[in-house]
Amino acid sequence: GQQVMQIPQYQHVQEGEDFTTYCNSSTTLSNIQWYKQRPGGHPVFLIQLVKSGEVKKQKRLTFQFGEAKKNSSLHITATQTTDVGTYFCAGDSGYSTLTFGKGTMLLVSP
Amino acid sequence: DVKVTQSSRYLVKRTGEKVFLECVQDMDHENMFWYRQDPGLGLRLIYFSYDVKMKEKGDIPEGYSVSREKKERFSLILESASTNQTSMYLCASKRQGGTEAFFGQGTRLTVV
Repeated sequence: GQQVMQIPQYQHVQEGEDFTTYCNSSTTLSNIQWYKQRPGGHPVFLIQLVKSGEVKKQKRLTFQFGEAKKNSSLHITATQTTDVGTYFCAGDSGYSTLTFGKGTMLLVSP
Repeated sequence: DVKVTQSSRYLVKRTGEKVFLECVQDMDHENMFWYRQDPGLGLRLIYFSYDVKMKEKGDIPEGYSVSREKKERFSLILESASTNQTSMYLCASKRQGGTEAFFGQGTRLTVV
């Protein structure tokens, strides 16, 4: 079945540093979604990318979808303590089910 | 605002018990999902349903069953709970053809 790999598993940064998490799928995706889970919380939708090579920005967050639609990245510029949490990518192969990566846990020290 | 409500936040059950985890959504979504979340393993799909009385196996269905008698309610059943089913269980719903999945707050199940 479809597999979605996500790296790194964990990253600890100082406030103000940048952060990037990468996602790779074993199959071509119809779209990719990103979710954020705060400690003790549940995953919350951030964004969906659909087009090959698509780049979207949400304030300090930049999301990219690869040309082959098999990889994606989330980059946070100048992290803040409010960015703490686990970031998941989720691939949709087109059958309405989402296959999640294992997530990247981000810890930000003030 | 979409709301997905799981019946319990924390649950402790004994090995061999039959366990029911309930999930209700209030936005008339066609698709509903059950995931389990374990440290280092992310979210793994157990079962999903795209319509009333319809169900499909996910990646890890062994030891679980589901029921969807009404559109708004999706139940996960552990026929005979085992300690390796101790986990966080997350229910989600999604409109058919829609974008985002909405998650419940999760049920942390401990099987002793």
